[in-house]
Amino acid sequence: DQQVKQNSPSLSVQEGRISILNCDYTNSMFDYFLWYKKYPAEGPTFLISISSIKDKNEDGRFTVFLNKSAKHLSLHIVPSQPGDSAVYFCAADTLEYGNKLVFGAGTILRVKS
Amino acid sequence: NAGVMQNPRHLVRRRGQEARLRCSPMKGHSHVYWYRQLPEEGLKFMVYLQKENIIDESGMPKERFSAEFPKEGPSILRIQQVVRGDSAAYFCASSPGVTFPYSSYNEQFFGPGTRLTVL
Repeated sequence: DQQVKQNSPSLSVQEGRISILNCDYTNSMFDYFLWYKKYPAEGPTFLISISSIKDKNEDGRFTVFLNKSAKHLSLHIVPSQPGDSAVYFCAADTLEYGNKLVFGAGTILRVKS
Repeated sequence: NAGVMQNPRHLVRRRGQEARLRCSPMKGHSHVYWYRQLPEEGLKFMVYLQKENIIDESGMPKERFSAEFPKEGPSILRIQQVVRGDSAAYFCASSPGVTFPYSSYNEQFFGPGTRLTVL
């Protein structure tokens, strides 16, 4: 039962352009959504999060959009840089008690210079 | 300010041996989570612990796997009688936990992982 889905296994973008990574979810009980970035042989690094009561959160080059009615969120990176090349994981959480993150399978982003 | 520490980074075991994975949370964090990542997949929740307490182990396999977070020392994920299917990357994360009454969300911070290979 995949509650969080990232349907694009990979994405290739030119340096300086926008990268848009997508994520869909099925559980309407999720309270929080997060994006993590992961380099090979390292642990995931927290990027940005959004509460289910908001529809947008921005932090520098990174913006996350949430469409609750469509159960869809996206991460926008503008402008994309070669150092952004990594695997991006979407994750979701319910605040029933503590945090138990549910992850998507990840999207490999390649930013070409 | 050291982040989440995990050791060893790489662990090779033969089938039937035991694997012990250690995790030291970030300073000030009292909540530890273990996740497993199989090849080509996302991370899957295994267990959530506080000091001396298992809060949620709904993601742990019923047999051979156990976890603890003692009063002193790191959290330990223990896998007995390993099989080839246990080969994966095991990540530990820590957070300050949920605040009551709820005031803000506390993100989890991940360690570098332990890559377990079972021969």
